[in-house]
Amino acid sequence: EAGVVQSPRYKIIEKKQPVAFWCNPISGHNTLYWYRQNLGQGPELLIRYENEEAVDDSQLPKDRFSAERLKGVDSTLKIQPAELGDSAVYLCASSLGHFEGNIQYFGAGTRLSVL
Amino acid sequence: QKEVEQDPGPLSVPEGAIVSLNCTYSNSAFQYFMWYRQYSRKGPELLMYTYSSGNKEDGRFTAQVDKSSKYISLFIRDSQPSDSATYLCAMIMDSNYQLIWGAGTKLIIKP
Repeated sequence: EAGVVQSPRYKIIEKKQPVAFWCNPISGHNTLYWYRQNLGQGPELLIRYENEEAVDDSQLPKDRFSAERLKGVDSTLKIQPAELGDSAVYLCASSLGHFEGNIQYFGAGTRLSVL
Repeated sequence: QKEVEQDPGPLSVPEGAIVSLNCTYSNSAFQYFMWYRQYSRKGPELLMYTYSSGNKEDGRFTAQVDKSSKYISLFIRDSQPSDSATYLCAMIMDSNYQLIWGAGTKLIIKP
C-alpha cells in the first residue's frame, strides 16, 4: 500500500514569490494534516481536514497561507507571497480519524528554501 | 514549560549498545504515546505506539509508558548504525486529534 505522497521534495524560491505543495494521502484516510517543521523541532500543525472540510486552521497564517482539499482526497498548500521565515519542511500526514487514537502517517515532506 | 520535554541530544553510542530514549510530559489526559523515527531529509516514520500504561515490544524496540510518573521510554537493543536518526515522541488525548510533540533526540550509532 502506498504511503502519503508529497511533491515536490525540494523547492527553492525567492522571497515574495508564490509556492504550492501537493499531498496525496493514504487511500481511505479521511483526515489530512499539514504541518511545518523547523530544524531541531517537532512538527507544528497548520491545518487539519476532515474529508473536504477544514476543521482546524487556527495555526494557519491566513494572510499568506491557503489550503484546499476539493474532493476530500488530494490537498494543496499555498504560500503567497513567501517570506524568508517560511523556510522549513512542510509535511503532510493522514489518518483514519478517531480510530486507534488517530494515528498519523507522514509523507517525506517538501523542503522549502526562501532566498 | 512545554507539555512534552525531550532531550535533543545528540546521543552517541557504540554499535551493539542498548539505547534508552525518554520523554516526560505534564498533561495526565494523554492516552496514546507514539515514537517516530526521522531520518535526515525524510518525514517522521511511525515506529510504535502504546495505549495507556505498559510495555510494547516490536523486534529490537520496546516502548514503555509510566503514567504515574508521566514518563515514556523507547529502548533499542543491539543498536545498528542504521538506527542513527532523530527520534520524536508524540502523544495524544483519547478524544482529540492533536499530536503534541517532543523536540526529538538525535541518535548516533558509531560502528
